[in-house]
Amino acid sequence: ETGVTQTPRHLVMGMTNKKSLKCEQHLGHNAMYWYKQSAKKPLELMFVYSLEERVENNSVPSRFSPECPNSSHLFLHLHTLQPEDSALYLCASSQARYNEQFFGPGTRLTVL
Amino acid sequence: AQKVTQAQTEISVVEKEDVTLDCVYETRDTTYYLFWYKQPPSGELVFLIRRNSFDEQNEISGRYSWNFQKSTSSFNFTITASQVVDSAVYFCALSEEFQGGSEKLVFGKGMKLTVNP
Repeated sequence: ETGVTQTPRHLVMGMTNKKSLKCEQHLGHNAMYWYKQSAKKPLELMFVYSLEERVENNSVPSRFSPECPNSSHLFLHLHTLQPEDSALYLCASSQARYNEQFFGPGTRLTVL
Repeated sequence: AQKVTQAQTEISVVEKEDVTLDCVYETRDTTYYLFWYKQPPSGELVFLIRRNSFDEQNEISGRYSWNFQKSTSSFNFTITASQVVDSAVYFCALSEEFQGGSEKLVFGKGMKLTVNP
Protein backbone atom coordinates (compact mmCIF):
# COMPACT_ATOMS: atom_id res chain seq x y z
CA GLU A 1 0.00 0.00 0.00
CA THR A 2 1.19 3.48 -0.74
CA GLY A 3 0.07 6.95 0.19
CA VAL A 4 -2.91 7.43 2.46
CA THR A 5 -5.60 4.78 2.75
CA GLN A 6 -9.01 5.02 4.37
CA THR A 7 -11.55 2.39 5.35
CA PRO A 8 -14.37 1.92 4.87
CA ARG A 9 -14.95 3.83 1.65
CA HIS A 10 -18.69 3.96 2.25
CA LEU A 11 -20.63 3.75 5.51
CA VAL A 12 -24.31 3.93 6.31
CA MET A 13 -25.26 4.15 9.95
CA GLY A 14 -28.23 4.92 12.13
CA MET A 15 -28.21 7.71 14.65
CA THR A 16 -27.79 5.31 17.56
CA ASN A 17 -24.90 3.34 16.07
CA LYS A 18 -21.25 3.53 16.98
CA LYS A 19 -18.73 3.19 14.19
CA SER A 20 -15.11 4.08 13.51
CA LEU A 21 -13.30 5.41 10.46
CA LYS A 22 -9.72 4.32 9.91
CA CYS A 23 -6.87 6.10 8.18
CA GLU A 24 -3.38 4.83 7.56
CA GLN A 25 -0.48 6.69 5.98
CA HIS A 26 2.54 4.97 4.46
CA LEU A 27 4.54 8.13 3.84
CA GLY A 28 6.47 8.47 7.08
CA HIS A 29 4.74 11.74 7.90
CA ASN A 30 4.46 13.17 11.40
CA ALA A 31 1.11 14.95 11.20
CA MET A 32 -2.35 13.64 10.39
CA TYR A 33 -5.65 15.40 9.83
CA TRP A 34 -9.38 14.77 9.62
CA TYR A 35 -11.44 16.96 7.29
CA LYS A 36 -15.15 17.05 6.63
CA GLN A 37 -16.49 17.86 3.18
CA SER A 38 -20.22 18.39 2.76
CA ALA A 39 -22.30 19.73 -0.07
CA LYS A 40 -23.05 22.91 1.83
CA LYS A 41 -19.61 23.82 3.14
CA PRO A 42 -16.06 23.84 1.86
CA LEU A 43 -13.49 21.53 3.35
CA GLU A 44 -13.44 21.96 7.10
CA LEU A 45 -10.63 20.88 9.34
CA MET A 46 -11.84 18.75 12.24
CA PHE A 47 -8.73 17.53 14.03
CA VAL A 48 -4.97 17.70 13.79
CA TYR A 49 -2.46 15.33 15.31
CA SER A 50 1.10 16.57 15.25
CA LEU A 51 3.77 14.15 16.49
CA GLU A 52 0.90 12.01 17.82
CA GLU A 53 -0.36 14.82 20.03
CA ARG A 54 -3.85 16.07 19.45
CA VAL A 55 -4.40 19.72 18.71
CA GLU A 56 -7.74 20.68 20.13
CA ASN A 57 -10.47 21.87 17.84
CA ASN A 58 -13.29 23.13 19.98
CA SER A 59 -15.70 23.64 17.15
CA VAL A 60 -16.20 19.92 16.54
CA PRO A 61 -19.09 18.24 18.42
CA SER A 62 -18.16 15.65 21.00
CA ARG A 63 -19.96 12.92 19.05
CA PHE A 64 -16.77 12.86 16.95
CA SER A 65 -13.80 11.45 18.82
CA PRO A 66 -10.37 11.07 17.21
CA GLU A 67 -7.63 8.66 18.18
CA CYS A 68 -4.05 8.51 17.01
CA PRO A 69 -2.30 5.42 18.45
CA ASN A 70 0.88 6.02 16.43
CA SER A 71 2.17 8.27 13.68
CA SER A 72 0.83 6.03 10.92
CA HIS A 73 -2.73 5.47 12.09
CA LEU A 74 -5.65 7.76 12.76
CA PHE A 75 -9.18 6.87 13.76
CA LEU A 76 -12.40 8.83 13.97
CA HIS A 77 -14.89 7.29 16.38
CA LEU A 78 -18.50 8.17 15.71
CA HIS A 79 -21.47 7.88 18.05
CA THR A 80 -25.02 9.21 18.11
CA LEU A 81 -24.52 11.12 14.90
CA GLN A 82 -27.11 13.33 13.25
CA PRO A 83 -28.27 13.26 9.63
CA GLU A 84 -26.45 16.56 9.03
CA ASP A 85 -23.21 14.74 9.76
CA SER A 86 -23.56 12.92 6.45
CA ALA A 87 -20.54 13.96 4.41
CA LEU A 88 -17.26 12.87 2.91
CA TYR A 89 -14.63 12.48 5.62
CA LEU A 90 -11.11 12.91 4.39
CA CYS A 91 -7.90 12.00 6.11
CA ALA A 92 -4.60 13.66 5.25
CA SER A 93 -0.98 13.56 6.37
CA SER A 94 2.01 15.82 6.02
CA GLN A 95 5.63 16.10 7.05
CA ALA A 96 6.73 19.15 9.00
CA ARG A 97 5.10 22.52 8.84
CA TYR A 98 3.70 24.12 5.73
CA ASN A 99 4.36 21.12 3.59
CA GLU A 100 1.70 19.81 1.30
CA GLN A 101 -0.88 17.49 2.76
CA PHE A 102 -1.59 14.20 1.06
CA PHE A 103 -5.16 13.02 1.17
CA GLY A 104 -6.81 9.65 1.30
CA PRO A 105 -9.80 8.73 -0.88
CA GLY A 106 -12.27 9.53 1.87
CA THR A 107 -15.15 7.75 3.58
CA ARG A 108 -18.61 8.64 2.30
CA LEU A 109 -20.78 8.62 5.42
CA THR A 110 -24.55 8.58 5.40
CA VAL A 111 -26.44 8.95 8.67
CA LEU A 112 -30.05 7.81 8.55
CA ALA B 1 -8.64 35.40 9.73
CA GLN B 2 -7.34 33.88 6.57
CA LYS B 3 -9.72 33.55 3.67
CA VAL B 4 -9.60 32.04 0.21
CA THR B 5 -12.05 33.07 -2.47
CA GLN B 6 -12.69 31.17 -5.65
CA ALA B 7 -15.26 33.35 -7.32
CA GLN B 8 -16.05 30.91 -10.10
CA THR B 9 -18.12 27.96 -8.96
CA GLU B 10 -18.40 26.10 -12.21
CA ILE B 11 -16.83 26.33 -15.67
CA SER B 12 -17.53 24.27 -18.75
CA VAL B 13 -15.16 24.26 -21.73
CA VAL B 14 -14.57 22.27 -24.85
CA GLU B 15 -11.47 20.14 -25.16
CA LYS B 16 -8.30 21.97 -26.22
CA GLU B 17 -9.53 25.28 -24.84
CA ASP B 18 -7.37 27.09 -22.28
CA VAL B 19 -9.01 27.78 -18.93
CA THR B 20 -7.93 29.90 -15.97
CA LEU B 21 -9.10 29.26 -12.43
CA ASP B 22 -9.01 32.30 -10.20
CA CYS B 23 -7.96 32.35 -6.55
CA VAL B 24 -7.80 35.38 -4.28
CA TYR B 25 -6.61 35.12 -0.71
CA GLU B 26 -6.51 37.23 2.45
CA THR B 27 -3.90 36.90 5.15
CA ARG B 28 -2.07 39.03 7.68
CA ASP B 29 0.93 36.71 7.75
CA THR B 30 4.11 37.71 5.96
CA THR B 31 5.10 34.09 5.51
CA TYR B 32 2.49 31.79 4.11
CA TYR B 33 1.99 29.04 1.59
CA LEU B 34 -0.54 28.62 -1.16
CA PHE B 35 -1.70 25.35 -2.66
CA TRP B 36 -3.81 23.97 -5.46
CA TYR B 37 -5.53 20.61 -5.23
CA LYS B 38 -7.56 18.64 -7.75
CA GLN B 39 -10.51 16.48 -6.69
CA PRO B 40 -11.65 14.10 -9.43
CA PRO B 41 -15.01 12.30 -9.15
CA SER B 42 -13.33 9.52 -7.16
CA GLY B 43 -13.12 11.96 -4.25
CA GLU B 44 -9.43 11.95 -3.40
CA LEU B 45 -7.73 15.34 -3.30
CA VAL B 46 -4.60 15.35 -5.44
CA PHE B 47 -1.85 17.82 -4.60
CA LEU B 48 -0.80 19.97 -7.57
CA ILE B 49 1.45 22.74 -6.31
CA ARG B 50 2.76 24.57 -3.26
CA ARG B 51 4.06 28.11 -3.44
CA ASN B 52 5.59 30.13 -0.63
CA SER B 53 4.97 33.82 -0.19
CA PHE B 54 8.54 34.80 -1.03
CA ASP B 55 8.62 33.11 -4.39
CA GLU B 56 6.64 35.04 -6.97
CA GLN B 57 8.06 33.27 -9.96
CA ASN B 58 5.44 31.75 -12.17
CA GLU B 59 5.60 28.01 -12.54
CA ILE B 60 4.84 25.74 -15.43
CA SER B 61 4.36 22.00 -15.26
CA GLY B 62 3.31 20.50 -18.56
CA ARG B 63 -0.09 21.93 -19.45
CA TYR B 64 -0.44 23.51 -16.00
CA SER B 65 0.83 26.95 -15.06
CA TRP B 66 0.43 29.14 -12.03
CA ASN B 67 0.56 32.92 -11.73
CA PHE B 68 1.27 34.21 -8.22
CA GLN B 69 0.89 37.96 -7.69
CA LYS B 70 1.29 39.27 -4.16
CA SER B 71 0.24 42.76 -5.21
CA THR B 72 -3.25 41.51 -5.97
CA SER B 73 -3.23 38.58 -3.51
CA SER B 74 -3.95 36.18 -6.31
CA PHE B 75 -2.73 32.73 -7.21
CA ASN B 76 -4.36 31.78 -10.49
CA PHE B 77 -4.13 28.44 -12.21
CA THR B 78 -4.23 27.96 -15.98
CA ILE B 79 -4.75 24.72 -17.85
CA THR B 80 -3.60 24.91 -21.45
CA ALA B 81 -5.21 22.74 -24.10
CA SER B 82 -7.65 21.21 -21.64
CA GLN B 83 -8.50 17.54 -21.79
CA VAL B 84 -11.49 15.53 -20.61
CA VAL B 85 -9.34 14.06 -17.83
CA ASP B 86 -8.96 17.55 -16.39
CA SER B 87 -12.63 17.47 -15.39
CA ALA B 88 -12.64 17.78 -11.60
CA VAL B 89 -13.19 20.17 -8.75
CA TYR B 90 -10.17 22.37 -8.12
CA PHE B 91 -9.41 23.84 -4.73
CA CYS B 92 -7.11 26.69 -3.83
CA ALA B 93 -5.84 26.68 -0.24
CA LEU B 94 -3.82 28.86 2.12
CA SER B 95 -1.81 27.70 5.10
CA GLU B 96 -2.79 29.17 8.43
CA GLU B 97 -1.08 28.80 11.76
CA PHE B 98 -3.23 26.68 14.03
CA GLN B 99 -3.03 25.76 17.66
CA GLY B 100 -0.06 24.06 19.28
CA GLY B 101 2.41 25.11 16.62
CA SER B 102 0.66 23.19 13.89
CA GLU B 103 -0.94 24.63 10.81
CA LYS B 104 -4.06 24.00 8.85
CA LEU B 105 -5.17 24.61 5.32
CA VAL B 106 -7.95 27.08 4.63
CA PHE B 107 -9.70 26.00 1.46
CA GLY B 108 -11.72 27.93 -1.04
CA LYS B 109 -15.13 26.59 -1.97
CA GLY B 110 -13.76 24.90 -5.05
CA MET B 111 -14.41 25.32 -8.74
CA LYS B 112 -15.93 22.54 -10.81
CA LEU B 113 -14.37 22.25 -14.24
CA THR B 114 -16.06 20.22 -16.92
CA VAL B 115 -14.17 19.59 -20.14
CA ASN B 116 -16.39 18.35 -22.91
CA PRO B 117 -15.07 16.35 -25.87
